[in-house]
Amino acid sequence: GAGVSQSPRYKVAKRGQDVALRCDPISGHVSLFWYQQALGQGPEFLTYFQNEAQLDKSGLPSDRFFAERPEGSVSTLKIQRTQQEDSAVYLCASSFLPGAGANVLTFGAGSRLTVL
Amino acid sequence: ELKVEQNPLFLSMQEGKNYTIYCNYSTTSDRLYWYRQDPGKSLESLFVLLSNGAVKQEGRLMASLDTKARLSTLHITAAVHDLSATYFCAVDAYNNNDMRFGAGTRLTVKP
Repeated sequence: GAGVSQSPRYKVAKRGQDVALRCDPISGHVSLFWYQQALGQGPEFLTYFQNEAQLDKSGLPSDRFFAERPEGSVSTLKIQRTQQEDSAVYLCASSFLPGAGANVLTFGAGSRLTVL
Repeated sequence: ELKVEQNPLFLSMQEGKNYTIYCNYSTTSDRLYWYRQDPGKSLESLFVLLSNGAVKQEGRLMASLDTKARLSTLHITAAVHDLSATYFCAVDAYNNNDMRFGAGTRLTVKP
């Protein structure tokens, strides 16, 4: 597609529910990042994929968070047993060419998660 | 762990004035990026700085990179209201393509 597409744009979950957030990156983009952005804060790194390989998941805040990119394109961020502190905007970004030259990220519009 | 620090975090300016935003980072890297975020919107790329001494300019904004000092600056010249937004710097962990962001500088330009 023309840009990075994220769905749903808005999600309200009751505490304890599981949620799944989807990211469809730009076709051909090798790198895919997930970030968590709390209100008024900068994006906090969650995890990074290069094709289907999850090269860094050090930013995932707990074992309730899980991300996958099984075929090296679409990625899903899953949050189990949601807590109120999980409320944030989850941003997905992709880029074309890692390791050489610029790694300019194209961001999706984000998925705003509110946990009640 | 790669850390990226910006200052100031909040900046209120009068139109027509100049100011500089600073971005420090903690590890070896020669790739520094600036992004802009408008309220309720996602981030958009502004500048890419890929070497020591790199300078890029777009309109009233100019970004520079000093890799030895691990410092980038974003200079605003003769600010106008349209520049009101939050500005983020971001750094690739060297040879790792692992992009980390600063906390952002929320800029408000007042008439």
